[in-house]
Amino acid sequence: ETGVTQTPRHLVMGMTNKKSLKCEQHLGHNAMYWYKQSAKKPLELMFVYSLEERVENNSVPSRFSPECPNSSHLFLHLHTLQPEDSALYLCASSQAPEDREGPGELFFGEGSRLTVL
Amino acid sequence: GEDVEQSLFLSVREGDSSVINCTYTDSSSTYLYWYKQEPGAGLQLLTYIFSNMDMKQDQRLTVLLNKKDKHLSLRIADTQTGDSAIYFCAEKSDYKLSFGAGTTVTVRA
Repeated sequence: ETGVTQTPRHLVMGMTNKKSLKCEQHLGHNAMYWYKQSAKKPLELMFVYSLEERVENNSVPSRFSPECPNSSHLFLHLHTLQPEDSALYLCASSQAPEDREGPGELFFGEGSRLTVL
Repeated sequence: GEDVEQSLFLSVREGDSSVINCTYTDSSSTYLYWYKQEPGAGLQLLTYIFSNMDMKQDQRLTVLLNKKDKHLSLRIADTQTGDSAIYFCAEKSDYKLSFGAGTTVTVRA
């Protein structure tokens, strides 16, 4: 069992739908991340939150909207997505990403498999 | 920007050693990592190495780092069917981790 839980595990949505992905971590970490995993492409870092403040936004289209209400929860709100947004969306958490000296291990959830029709 | 490259596929016979290779471009990387992803699961950290080391061994896993060539490898001794997975190389620069595309390792009997 992972300390990072993602729901739903699978989601199918039309291009006009609005849906949300949810992530919850039970590890006492203070940073959370969204990554996009597409086949045969490097993992793409989308957003980073540290102490509930967004510290990274890697030129992600505005149809993806993150929300971090507290250090244990992270959401990714989705609307008017495109078929090329179909991918596995991974949430991760870590301790103190600003600690540039430490290894900063990431703990991942099992992912939410998104299909956009 | 950061760039991490690794071959996409590796097939190995059960009991043989597997060697997965990775190259990266950021010379300021402080830590380098190997993550494993089994089917239907997220990524799990296997091992990591600090950039001032050139080798780290952990049971069946051996990590070799050539910092001059920016080359990282993971050797799995006595590969088992349970080692079939996608293996991701990652490097830490500043506070961010950058990942490669993953190497799919298939273990055949």
